[in-house]
Amino acid sequence: AQSVTQLGSHVSVSEGALVLLRCNYSSSVPPYLFWYVQYPNQGLQLLLKYTTGATLVKGINGFEAEFKKSETSFHLTKPSAHMSDAAEYFCAVSDRGNQFYFGTGTSLTVIP
Amino acid sequence: EAGVAQSPRYKIIEKRQSVAFWCNPISGHATLYWYQQILGQGPKLLIQFQNNGVVDDSQLPKDRFSAERLKGVDSTLKIQPAKLEDSAVYLCASSSWTGGSLGYTFGSGTRLTVV
Repeated sequence: AQSVTQLGSHVSVSEGALVLLRCNYSSSVPPYLFWYVQYPNQGLQLLLKYTTGATLVKGINGFEAEFKKSETSFHLTKPSAHMSDAAEYFCAVSDRGNQFYFGTGTSLTVIP
Repeated sequence: EAGVAQSPRYKIIEKRQSVAFWCNPISGHATLYWYQQILGQGPKLLIQFQNNGVVDDSQLPKDRFSAERLKGVDSTLKIQPAKLEDSAVYLCASSSWTGGSLGYTFGSGTRLTVV
């Protein structure tokens, strides 16, 4: 079975500061891992994904995430937060099939 | 290419009324999904279609929810009668035959408020 835990439902950072959003997963098979962003009243937009190969994955808007199998983690980072990064972020795992299992989301606030 | 289209964007109904949502997937995408996203939670899969057949509807509350994809293209999700706890955003997504979770595209969703 697959599941995702996102630590911290709300994260606040100052503009220009490091963004760190935590995600731990559980999967009975080698997983595919994803981060999605959702802006108010919009659908989900893919930030980045891990399938196989390099464990450090770079995505859009300067975000990256590192797959750590030993820690069953896939934390999302960005070196310098921008006001436009304020949104809801969802980590998701797939069993390499068709279905996603989403975390409960982390709301990111960027303080000017 | 055009994205996944959903309508309406917003809907407010009274409890015990019925409501329907429409989704038009990306052209050529064989797989279509409906997700329910309750405020403060991640999206939860309600039903998955492969062409016009149901692949997984294990989490669909069948006593009040129904969905169809008659011609293997667009899809309708219906709730009858609605309950207060059905207030949520209903997201439609589609994927190509071989894309699976790697080829998902989500629509903008329909926000349902039941009062």
